[in-house]
Amino acid sequence: GQNIDQPTEMTATEGAIVQINCTYQTSGFNGLFWYQQHAGEAPTFLSYNVLDGLEEKGRFSSFLSRSKGYSYLLLKELQMKDSASYLCAVLDSNYQLIWGAGTKLIIKP
Amino acid sequence: IAGITQAPTSQILAAGRRMTLRCTQDMRHNAMYWYRQDLGLGLRLIHYSNTAGTTGKGEVPDGYSVSRANTDDFPLTLASAVPSQTSVYFCASSSTGNTEAFFGQGTRLTVV
Repeated sequence: GQNIDQPTEMTATEGAIVQINCTYQTSGFNGLFWYQQHAGEAPTFLSYNVLDGLEEKGRFSSFLSRSKGYSYLLLKELQMKDSASYLCAVLDSNYQLIWGAGTKLIIKP
Repeated sequence: IAGITQAPTSQILAAGRRMTLRCTQDMRHNAMYWYRQDLGLGLRLIHYSNTAGTTGKGEVPDGYSVSRANTDDFPLTLASAVPSQTSVYFCASSSTGNTEAFFGQGTRLTVV
C-alpha cells in the first residue's frame, strides 16, 4: 500500500530552527509537496520538490532524497505565526496526491 | 479576487437527507478535486476531475457523486447522508496534475 509518515506533533521555540521529516512509500513518484494549514483554514502551498536536493524559499527550505523516500521541511527564525500543521504529500504514478496526516507544530515564546 | 469558493461553509444535516456541496473556481484550472479531512487522518481524495466532462474515483468515493459539466464548477453530492460522512470537505483545483493545488475554505458538515 501507499504510505506517508510524518511526526504527529512537534514543539519549538520562537526564533529557533525546526526540521519536519516525511518518509514515503508510494507507487511511483512524480514530486513531493509541502503545505501549511492553520487551524480551521485551508491548506496553502509551500514547496514542491521533484529532483534530489534542497529548495530554499525565504525562511523555509525543503529537501528531497528519492532513493531514501525521504523529505524534510526546514523552518528557520521561527515566528509565532508559524504555528500550524504541515502536510507532506506525494504525487504518485497516476498523478494522484497521497497525503500524510500532517505535523502539528507548536511554537512557544 | 481569483480563487476557489465553496458553499456552504458549514451545515448540519439529518441522516438520510440529500446534500450538494458547491465548488466554483475562476482560475480556468483543468483539474479539480474533492477531499475530506478527519482528525488524525490525512486528506483523503473522494473524487477528482482532470478536465471538464470527465470524473474519476478517489480513495473514498462510496456515498458520494460528482459532475463536471464545465471548467468552473465541481459539485459534490451526498445522496443519502450518514453520520460517518461528518467531516470537513475541501475542494481544490490545479492547472495540471503536477502543479500546486489551490484549496477552497472548506465545508464543515455534521450529519446527525
